[in-house]
Amino acid sequence: EIVLTQSPATLSVSPGERATLSCRASQTVSSNLAWYQQKPGQAPRLLIYGASTRATGIPARFSGSGSGTEFTLTISSLQSEDFAVYYCQQYNNWPPGTFGPGTKVDI
Amino acid sequence: EVQLVESGGGLVKPGGSLRLSCAASGFTFSTYSMNWVRQAPGKGLEWVSYISSSSSYIHYADSVKGRFTISRDNAKKSLYLQMNSLRAEDTAVYYCARGGPHYGSFDPWGQGTLVTVSS
Repeated sequence: EIVLTQSPATLSVSPGERATLSCRASQTVSSNLAWYQQKPGQAPRLLIYGASTRATGIPARFSGSGSGTEFTLTISSLQSEDFAVYYCQQYNNWPPGTFGPGTKVDI
Repeated sequence: EVQLVESGGGLVKPGGSLRLSCAASGFTFSTYSMNWVRQAPGKGLEWVSYISSSSSYIHYADSVKGRFTISRDNAKKSLYLQMNSLRAEDTAVYYCARGGPHYGSFDPWGQGTLVTVSS
């Protein structure tokens, strides 16, 4: 089973700053990686799929990059509504679609 | 607007059974694959089960194989998860999620229903 590692576990940033989140896979997942955002008490929301394609309705300040085993989610200028937990998920070896442990972005 | 609404969660004793439902609206349910994904309290996400649009293909996580059964009724626009032989470690919020733009991704998700397995 492919294991995903996310770093850092917690990222403290100020509104307007840039946030960079990392996801590393234990073996290559090609570009078959997605990012999800989850706010407290809410369901996850798809942000990015195919490592770099924004899902419908996702603001341009969210961008994804990487392939193989190293991936990055960048939030160019954090808004108050962006403080949340972010999960990466691989679907190269699917099923199962394994998730990373998450990165919490807080103030 | 695409909507997924789960129901059927609750408190059940170890070894018991529960059936979850997910009502879909706002899209052509019969043309999409569907999934169940769960999240234990304070923990991360775990994919549970997948069913193709016509029920031809079904997959389960190893942790639930042989105990859980996924099904769907396209006429009723509904997804189901029959959970038997429940264990304390099955305690979680269960989300139904539509198959996303890439096979294996999930979009959107319902709001979830809490299943608590405790004596």
